[in-house]
Amino acid sequence: AAGVIQSPRHLIKEKRETATLKCYPIPRHDTVYWYQQGPGQDPQFLISFYEKMQSDKGSIPDRFSAQQFSDYHSELNMSSLELGDSALYFCASSPEGLTGAEYTGELFFGEGSRLTVL
Amino acid sequence: DAKTTQPTSMDCAEGRAANLPCNHSTISGNEYVYWYRQIHSQGPQYIIHGLKNNETNEMASLIITEDRKSSTLILPHATLRDTAVYYCIVRETSGSRLTFGEGTQLTVNP
Repeated sequence: AAGVIQSPRHLIKEKRETATLKCYPIPRHDTVYWYQQGPGQDPQFLISFYEKMQSDKGSIPDRFSAQQFSDYHSELNMSSLELGDSALYFCASSPEGLTGAEYTGELFFGEGSRLTVL
Repeated sequence: DAKTTQPTSMDCAEGRAANLPCNHSTISGNEYVYWYRQIHSQGPQYIIHGLKNNETNEMASLIITEDRKSSTLILPHATLRDTAVYYCIVRETSGSRLTFGEGTQLTVNP
């Protein structure tokens, strides 16, 4: 079965550069979540989108922005990169528009994009 | 979302049952208990969830106390590949974020 696709899987940037991470949700999933996981840390929620609109916002720095496009894929844009931005970035998708017995509330996570800032 | 408390680490022998406890004493009536696990640096993986009844699937069983203030995830026959960090999370099903706390590092030993 199709899973959540994230690209690139690995990215190396210099301080003050910009980076863009992409997330392709499972087909027919309308909601995308972004998480950041620093070394030795638990995943931290950044932001989510439902039907192309921002639905929730967590601890996302002002230097970061994200959006969900008409084909439901999402991009996380990070500017003025800092050493502390080095982390694994996970995207997850879910079919929040489903109702009834089909809906379990499960989030499906991608394998992550590892960003290293030098 | 309600806060959860889990042991920092646990060990289990291969082939034995692993019982992972979780306290969620402030859970509200419309919040479910979800369990996810994360194998080293991979994306978190859903295991099971429940509201108040015990649940079982191909991966695990979930036992929720009658007052819903605590639960136990049971892996009936742990294998080496079950070594992971296990997260207990309480969440409404309706589109809210998953908030990861400090999960339990389960190590399955040969």
